[in-house]
Amino acid sequence: AAGVIQSPRHLIKEKRETATLKCYPIPRHDTVYWYQQGPGQDPQFLISFYEKMQSDKGSIPDRFSAQQFSDYHSELNMSSLELGDSALYFCASSLGRGRTEAFFGQGTRLTVV
Amino acid sequence: RKEVEQDPGPFNVPEGATVAFNCTYSNSASQSFFWYRQDCRKEPKLLMSVYSSGNEDGRFTAQLNRASQYISLLIRDSKLSDSATYLCVVKSLQDMRFGAGTRLTVKP
Repeated sequence: AAGVIQSPRHLIKEKRETATLKCYPIPRHDTVYWYQQGPGQDPQFLISFYEKMQSDKGSIPDRFSAQQFSDYHSELNMSSLELGDSALYFCASSLGRGRTEAFFGQGTRLTVV
Repeated sequence: RKEVEQDPGPFNVPEGATVAFNCTYSNSASQSFFWYRQDCRKEPKLLMSVYSSGNEDGRFTAQLNRASQYISLLIRDSKLSDSATYLCVVKSLQDMRFGAGTRLTVKP
């Protein structure tokens, strides 16, 4: 069965550069969540989308923005990268909000040097 | 205070042991509840949903107490392969929040 696809899997950027992370949800899933997971930490909720509209916002820095497109894929844009942005970024998708389970992509490992 | 609080762990248990994890949540509008398992540097994977009546899947039993806003996971007859971090997840219409995770190590 198709899973959540994230690209790229690994990314190395320098400080102050920009990065774009992509997430392709499971077909027919209309809800996307983004998380940031630092070493030894739990996933921190960044932002979510439902039917191409922002649903909720968590601890997402102002330097980051995201959107969900008409084909339901989502992109997380990160600017003015800082060393502290180095983390695993996970995307998850679900069908609808609320009661349905969510499935995660394999994540993008971002390293800022 | 975090929206989802879990036992800090870590739990180190011998094979065959029974281990229980607890989780509390603060958002009374939460609609659904799950346990995920995360292996080192991998994505979280759904272990089981948690239903109000309690549910069981093999060696795993999950319980939900909406009045106390409390969720639990019981693992019986622990296997070496159960070693992982277990994440309590609470979903509302707007978001999906994780607990800090409880690290379980099952030793021979």
